[in-house]
Amino acid sequence: DIQMTQFPSSLAASVGDRVTITCRSSQAISSYLNWYQQKPGEAPKLLITAASSLQSGVPSRFSGSGSGTEFTLTINNLQPEDIATYYCQQSYSTRAAFGPGTKVEVK
Amino acid sequence: QVQLEQSGPEVKKPGSSVRVSCTTSGGTFNNYGMSWVRQAPGQGLEWVGGTIPKFGSANYAQKFQGRVIITSDKLSSTAYLEISSLTFDDTAVYYCATPRNERRHVFDFWGQGTLITVSS
Repeated sequence: DIQMTQFPSSLAASVGDRVTITCRSSQAISSYLNWYQQKPGEAPKLLITAASSLQSGVPSRFSGSGSGTEFTLTINNLQPEDIATYYCQQSYSTRAAFGPGTKVEVK
Repeated sequence: QVQLEQSGPEVKKPGSSVRVSCTTSGGTFNNYGMSWVRQAPGQGLEWVGGTIPKFGSANYAQKFQGRVIITSDKLSSTAYLEISSLTFDDTAVYYCATPRNERRHVFDFWGQGTLITVSS
């Protein structure tokens, strides 16, 4: 199975900051990389597909980039409602896999 | 808009089995496949297994092979996840999730989650 890693595992930032989360896959997955946001007690929410395609309704301060084995989720101008855990997920293989998550907190 | 409604929480003993259901409404059942994702208390998301229509049968994450079965009933628009030989480590919230189109394993829609507690 393809393994996904993310770093940092957690971070604290101030409102208005730019936040960057990195995701790596154990083998090349082209652009078959998705990002999810999960708030406590809720199901995950799909933010970005195909590495950089923002889903309808997701604020434009979220963006994604990368291909192959390294990917990035960026949140510009962090807002209080962005406090959550973010997961990357590969959809390249018939066996999907999630990264371990990055918890974003307010400093 | 597709909605996924899951069965209620369950408490099971170690060594027993459990079956969780997920009923689709507002869209064509299993048109684009269905996956199951679990989340142990305080932990991250873990893909358990899922179906991709063009491939027919379900695929499972390696650690669940032989212990998990994913099935479906078209007539009732319901997908099922059955886990056997339960251990304490299987205590988790189990989600069903499905894509909105042919993008396999891109999970646009999620169920509300079902808490399975394994306790002696």
